[in-house]
Amino acid sequence: DGGITQSPKYLFRKEGQNVTLSCEQNLNHDAMYWYRQDPGQGLRLIYYSQIVNDFQKGDIAEGYSVSREKKESFPLTVTSAQKNPTAFYLCASSSTSMSSYEQYFGPGTRLTVT
Amino acid sequence: DAKTTQPPSMDCAEGRAANLPCNHSTISGNEYVYWYRQIHSQGPQYIIHGLKNNETNEMASLIITEDRKSSTLILPHATLRDTAVYYCIVRGLTTSGTYKYIFGTGTRLKVLA
Repeated sequence: DGGITQSPKYLFRKEGQNVTLSCEQNLNHDAMYWYRQDPGQGLRLIYYSQIVNDFQKGDIAEGYSVSREKKESFPLTVTSAQKNPTAFYLCASSSTSMSSYEQYFGPGTRLTVT
Repeated sequence: DAKTTQPPSMDCAEGRAANLPCNHSTISGNEYVYWYRQIHSQGPQYIIHGLKNNETNEMASLIITEDRKSSTLILPHATLRDTAVYYCIVRGLTTSGTYKYIFGTGTRLKVLA
């Protein structure tokens, strides 16, 4: 089955700890994205990558870091500098074609930091 | 960045058509309109997209006004499984010239038995 996997589904951490969220896709998509969703809100873009070994900050990148060493993988690290890390995190991928840009989303990881 | 405005919630009777409106009055000429839906605690699911013309697929129809300032997503025969939050999204450009989605808060559609 082609798709995007995120693990784990639920993650609990103590304040002050860094945590890395996994995102893998087997859709052969060049572009990958990380979003954050807070209760009752829409999605906000954290980081995106259009190609391996390259990525750009989205609208709310502070306190987060990413890497893109492989086409299939785009892990997100939530650092201790992120003031309000508790949220639902969604990973997505898409082709880079101008006319075929629909993003495919993973199931999400719900991070709780206490 | 173009922004979208949607009603926060709507109800629809099962079997009837659900018409979800969206305003995007600041949309630019080359910006697409996308619709996604999100069932509770899951990743959003793509529904349909369009630029100028009306579009239809197996899930829904998208009607875009001639001035492109608003659009309507139509679910022709709503079922209970269509209960979800529906996002109308304009595909904009990032500062580096790549595309990005600009999400609003969506419409919470509740299909009633």
